[in-house]
Amino acid sequence: DGGITQSPKYLFRKEGQNVTLSCEQNLNHDAMYWYRQDPGQGLRLIYYSQIVNDFQKGDIAEGYSVSREKKESFPLTVTSAQKNPTAFYLCASSRFGVNYGYTFGSGTRLTVV
Amino acid sequence: DAKTTQPNSMESNEEEPVHLPCNHSTISGTDYIHWYRQLPSQGPEYVIHGLTSNVNNRMASLAIAEDRKSSTLILHRATLRDAAVYYCILRDQFNAGNMLTFGGGTRLMVKP
Repeated sequence: DGGITQSPKYLFRKEGQNVTLSCEQNLNHDAMYWYRQDPGQGLRLIYYSQIVNDFQKGDIAEGYSVSREKKESFPLTVTSAQKNPTAFYLCASSRFGVNYGYTFGSGTRLTVV
Repeated sequence: DAKTTQPNSMESNEEEPVHLPCNHSTISGTDYIHWYRQLPSQGPEYVIHGLTSNVNNRMASLAIAEDRKSSTLILHRATLRDAAVYYCILRDQFNAGNMLTFGGGTRLMVKP
């Protein structure tokens, strides 16, 4: 079955450490996205990519970095520059165009300890 | 992107229809209306979308006002598994990235 996989499901990070969240899809979607969700809030866009080797900043890109070396993969690195990284991170993919829906992963819950 | 307005929360009884409203008075002619829902501790799930005509699928129906300034997501028989946050989102086909922009959504509570 096609889908989008995020790993790990839970992640604990010490202050000052970088961590990388994995996102893989086998839906042959061109576009991929990373969102952050804080408790009781809606989703906010961090980064998105519409094609391999290209990506754009979203609304809250500071303290995050991404890469898109393969169509199937869009990893997100939370750097030590992100001052408040504890959140629920969601990856999504879609065909390009507004007439297509997004498919979301099940999320990674990151906690800074 | 044009903004949407939804009630913060709604309640429904199990097995009754639910009508979730969304106002989008500044919608443009090229905006599609998308609905997603998010169950607790899960990623959002696509529900339905439309442009001008009413739409039906296995999950729900979307009723779009004639002037397109509002729409209603209809769940025909609510179940406990429909308890979620429902997001109404406009997507402009001429937006450079065509990204989804999430607002606060409506938290639907279903009572047995």
